[in-house]
Amino acid sequence: DSGVTQTPKHLITATGQRVTLRCSPRSGDLSVYWYQQSLDQGLQFLIQYYNGEERAKGNILERFSAQQFPDLHSELNLSSLELGDSALYFCASSAGQGQNEQFFGPGTRLTVL
Amino acid sequence: GQSLEQPSEVTAVEGAIVQINCTYQTSGFYGLSWYQQHDGGAPTFLSYNALDGLEETGRFSSFLSRSDSYGYLLLQELQMKDSASYFCAALKAGSYQLTFGKGTKLSVIP
Repeated sequence: DSGVTQTPKHLITATGQRVTLRCSPRSGDLSVYWYQQSLDQGLQFLIQYYNGEERAKGNILERFSAQQFPDLHSELNLSSLELGDSALYFCASSAGQGQNEQFFGPGTRLTVL
Repeated sequence: GQSLEQPSEVTAVEGAIVQINCTYQTSGFYGLSWYQQHDGGAPTFLSYNALDGLEETGRFSSFLSRSDSYGYLLLQELQMKDSASYFCAALKAGSYQLTFGKGTKLSVIP
């Protein structure tokens, strides 16, 4: 158990819908990272927050957005969902910024029908 | 941008040694990490190299050669539970993100 929690574990929705994925980092960690993992693309970095501020952006679509709240939990919002958004979404946390050792949550499996 | 290349699949026998290679192309390279992921599970951190040379952690070792833009993960005394995917990931200096390779699926056979 990494200490990072993610909810929900599974999510099934329809195209065009909007969903919110939630992540609570390890106690004391200030950085939260979001990744998308699909079969053909591997682990793709989406976005990172540090202590409430956006720090780095990767291959995140404009339909996706995220935020980190004062209690350090983070939410990833996915809107106008498409079939291709079906993937495993991981949240990871680390104590500082730019950390090579990140602790991953169990992931949320999103299925868009 | 950054790109990392690693073999897609490797098969090895229980008790043997296996090496998983990773070559990278990145500007401002800072260090190379390795992660393990079992099917249906989350990636877990294995090791990190910022300097050239070998880092050893139990049965696992990781090597980096910055001049060759190359690294490898060495797994010794393979066990069935080592069957998993292994990812190399590059950290870029001045950036806050890890770029992952596509992963190597290791199958350990009896």
